[in-house]
Amino acid sequence: DTGVSQDPRHKITKRGQNVTFRCDPISEHNRLYWYRQTLGQGPEFLTYFQNEAQLEKSRLLSDRFSAERPKGSFSTLEIQRTEQGDSAMYLCASRPKGQGASSYEQYFGPGTRLTVT
Amino acid sequence: QQQVKQSPQSLIVQKGGISIINCAYENTAFDYFPWYQQFPGKGPALLIAIRPDVSEKKEGRFTISFNKSAKQFSLHIMDSQPGDSATYFCAASPFGGATNKLIFGTGTLLAVQP
Repeated sequence: DTGVSQDPRHKITKRGQNVTFRCDPISEHNRLYWYRQTLGQGPEFLTYFQNEAQLEKSRLLSDRFSAERPKGSFSTLEIQRTEQGDSAMYLCASRPKGQGASSYEQYFGPGTRLTVT
Repeated sequence: QQQVKQSPQSLIVQKGGISIINCAYENTAFDYFPWYQQFPGKGPALLIAIRPDVSEKKEGRFTISFNKSAKQFSLHIMDSQPGDSATYFCAASPFGGATNKLIFGTGTLLAVQP
């Protein structure tokens, strides 16, 4: 078990460009979350997948943002027409199947730091 | 609307001392309360979590104390070490909710001086 992985770790882009991030959850974790973290703040929820179904999206997720989890395994987060305000750390977390207490534990990846110039 | 309030914003503790970080929540639907540790440039790592059916949970040097009536919970780090220097986040979520998304506090930057 190698934990949650994210790629790339760092991305610098110019305003107006599109970017895509990838998250590979812990194997057999069917639940996947995206969060955004700005400097000096705690992570903020963006969206949630259970298997391949996107079950919740935050109001923070404007129409420039789209997330997918096509086969219920890895997930991608795309930001179109990036703005300077999109600069942040984008974190992915996964959670195991089941109903017991341990099934509510979310495990985070290392994040993708986006800088929009 | 900030649903989880965390204090202090920063904390300096001597090696071997006790670090105490406090959080308060408003939403009575919350009933799962984890603490995360985050080092610079890394993702948050789960430290310890509690549900309100118990008032205290201990794992190694880390203890959560929970006061359901006051809607407050705290993290105690015993025998604090320089390697504990990091940012700590409390969080909350509805245990039986559909998504169990985490609502985080604003973080506490802990510095343990040798």
